[in-house]
Amino acid sequence: DADVTQTPRNRITKTGKRIMLECSQTKGHDRMYWYRQDPGLGLRLIYYSFDVKDINKGEISDGYSVSRQAQAKFSLSLESAIPNQTALYFCATEGTDTQYFGPGTRLTVL
Amino acid sequence: AQKVTQAQTEISVVEKEDVTLDCVYETRDTTYYLFWYKQPPSGELVFLIRRNSFDEQNEISGRYSWNFQKSTSSFNFTITASQVVDSAVYFCALSDFSNDYKLSFGAGTTVTVRA
Repeated sequence: DADVTQTPRNRITKTGKRIMLECSQTKGHDRMYWYRQDPGLGLRLIYYSFDVKDINKGEISDGYSVSRQAQAKFSLSLESAIPNQTALYFCATEGTDTQYFGPGTRLTVL
Repeated sequence: AQKVTQAQTEISVVEKEDVTLDCVYETRDTTYYLFWYKQPPSGELVFLIRRNSFDEQNEISGRYSWNFQKSTSSFNFTITASQVVDSAVYFCALSDFSNDYKLSFGAGTTVTVRA
C-alpha cells in the first residue's frame, strides 16, 4: 500500500462549488504539506502543518483552507472554487531525509 | 524572491546522449539541503537525491550524477547515456533554516529523450 494517499485522484467541478481534497499517510510523520503544481511554475506551497495543533499558511493560501484531523490526515478545501484553481495538487509528509509525496489530485474547475 | 532557478525550461536529446540540468540556488544560511525530484509522465514525484551544504562531494548513482559547487551556488544533475525512460520533468529544490526547512522548488526542466 502507498504511504501517502490522496482522494480523489481526479475531479471536475464548477465555479463556486466547495471541494475537499483528502490526504492520508501511514508513515507516522508529524509534518504534512499541500502544494499545487502549475505548468512552468513548479510546486508552490499552499498550507503546511508541523503537528496536529499547528497549521500555517504557505505562499499561496488565498482561496484555500485546511484541516488536520489527526496526525495521519490533512485535508485541503476550496470554499468556492474558481477556474484559476485548476491545477495538480500534491500532499506530502516529511521524514528525516525528504518529503514523500502522494500521487496527486488533478482538479479542473469549469 | 526566487530561491531556486532552473534556467532550462525544456531539453530534447537523442537516446544515448548525455544531458545536464542546471540548478542555481540562493540562500544566506550555512546549513541547507538540496534535492532533485523526477516527475515522469504518470505524474508522481520521485525523490532522487538529497545533499547537505557541508558535503560537496559529487555523487554518482548509476547513470545519474550530481555536481554540487558552493562557490557558484549550483547543484547540477547529469544523466549519462540517456534513455527514453528518462523523459520527465526534473525539479531542483532547496530546504534551508530561514524557511523552517520547507522546500522551495525550481520551475522544473522538461527532458525529452527521443529514440
